[in-house]
Amino acid sequence: DVQLVQSGAEVKKPGESLKISCKASGYSFNLYWVGWVRQMPGKGLEWMGIIYPGDSDTRYNPSFQGQVTISADKSINTAYLQWSRLKASDSAIYYCVRTYSFSSVYYFDFWGQGALVTVSS
Amino acid sequence: QFVLTQPPSVSAAPGQRVTISCSGSSSNIGNSYVSWYQQFPGTAPKLLIYDNHKRPSGIPDRFSGSKSGTSATLVITGLQTGDEADYYCGTWDGSLSASVVFGGGTKLTVL
Repeated sequence: DVQLVQSGAEVKKPGESLKISCKASGYSFNLYWVGWVRQMPGKGLEWMGIIYPGDSDTRYNPSFQGQVTISADKSINTAYLQWSRLKASDSAIYYCVRTYSFSSVYYFDFWGQGALVTVSS
Repeated sequence: QFVLTQPPSVSAAPGQRVTISCSGSSSNIGNSYVSWYQQFPGTAPKLLIYDNHKRPSGIPDRFSGSKSGTSATLVITGLQTGDEADYYCGTWDGSLSASVVFGGGTKLTVL
């Protein structure tokens, strides 16, 4: 079975760095895009970007470009989302998603359980 | 705030049929494929519909999707209390800010 298991909840202070992870299993990690979706408290879904672990090709939502870094380590089937300097407005649940991407077709067929990130002084 | 427009809420009685609309433009729905997601409180969303109308394995045929022009529709028939959740549409937007976009979500209440 396909599974995406994310790292746990984090509580950080503004200005701190953070890297959260998403470990995939049950499929060929190198052959599917993996992405990240943000959900702020009580709000809707926002697509942040995706990475193709096979060659590390990465694409960002312009709204998140420069604010976060998406990476992957195909040797351990794990994708990452990181911040160098967190802000209070980064407080949200972050989902990793296995992504089908081809031409104008994008959908997210498997989701991690979500990681709650709280940034507060 | 959200590129795709969904009604904030819909409601219907058990056994009834409900439709959830998702309105966009030629830069997104008009030229891309739509997917739909179901999210229960406190849990991750789940894929319900992809490629406008296809259902992943395990999704009952009570759920159906369609697209016409720059709008898409999710239809749920034979409503059950267990369908009460938030529903989101999503698609690729090929405008200058090329990215996946979502609707703001629709809260379905089964009366």
